[in-house]
Amino acid sequence: EPEVTQTPSHQVTQMGQEVILRCVPISNHLYFYWYRQILGQKVEFLVSFYNNEISEKSEIFDDQFSVERPDGSNFTLKIRSTKLEDSAMYFCASRTGTGDTGELFFGEGSRLTVL
Amino acid sequence: QQQVKQSPQSLIVQKGGISIINCAYENTAFDYFPWYQQFPGKGPALLIAIRPDVSEKKEGRFTISFNKSAKQFSLHIMDSQPGDSATYFCAALSGGTSYGKLTFGQGTILTVHP
Repeated sequence: EPEVTQTPSHQVTQMGQEVILRCVPISNHLYFYWYRQILGQKVEFLVSFYNNEISEKSEIFDDQFSVERPDGSNFTLKIRSTKLEDSAMYFCASRTGTGDTGELFFGEGSRLTVL
Repeated sequence: QQQVKQSPQSLIVQKGGISIINCAYENTAFDYFPWYQQFPGKGPALLIAIRPDVSEKKEGRFTISFNKSAKQFSLHIMDSQPGDSATYFCAALSGGTSYGKLTFGQGTILTVHP
């Protein structure tokens, strides 16, 4: 069964460092998303991406965050200068977007720990 | 207005019992209500979903009940099994350009004892 894959599974970084989280969405999907889940809290929307541009972003997704799809397969989330409060599980998700039911397929997540 | 409130935070059920998780929302623009199941170390996976034009949807042991006037919906797990032990999230989504922007509830940790 096709799946969304994410790397790394866990990254530890120092405050102020740049981090790039990578995702390979399901191949025929057209919409891509990043969500995050702070430990013990709910899953929160960060950003949606379609047709090589951001379609929507939350207030969490400030200037420190960026996304891109550099090569048609990978979908990356970059945090320019990490803060302690960026520590969370980051989930990538994708959706077909063509006559579908709206189901989002989530990856297993990348755990980011900022020290 | 974008919140989805979920209860209880945790639930312990005996094997064979019924698990019930409730959610409430305020935004009447929401038009798709999925439930996600999350096992430790995994991403959320779609369990079952409903649109507001029906009041109930059943898939196997899982049923969503939807009350549009009360803006509430619930997940019922019949004949609960230890393998159902997981965190369950309700969510809501409004269509149009927000398609895919899910608003999640706080989650319910379900434990089913053998």
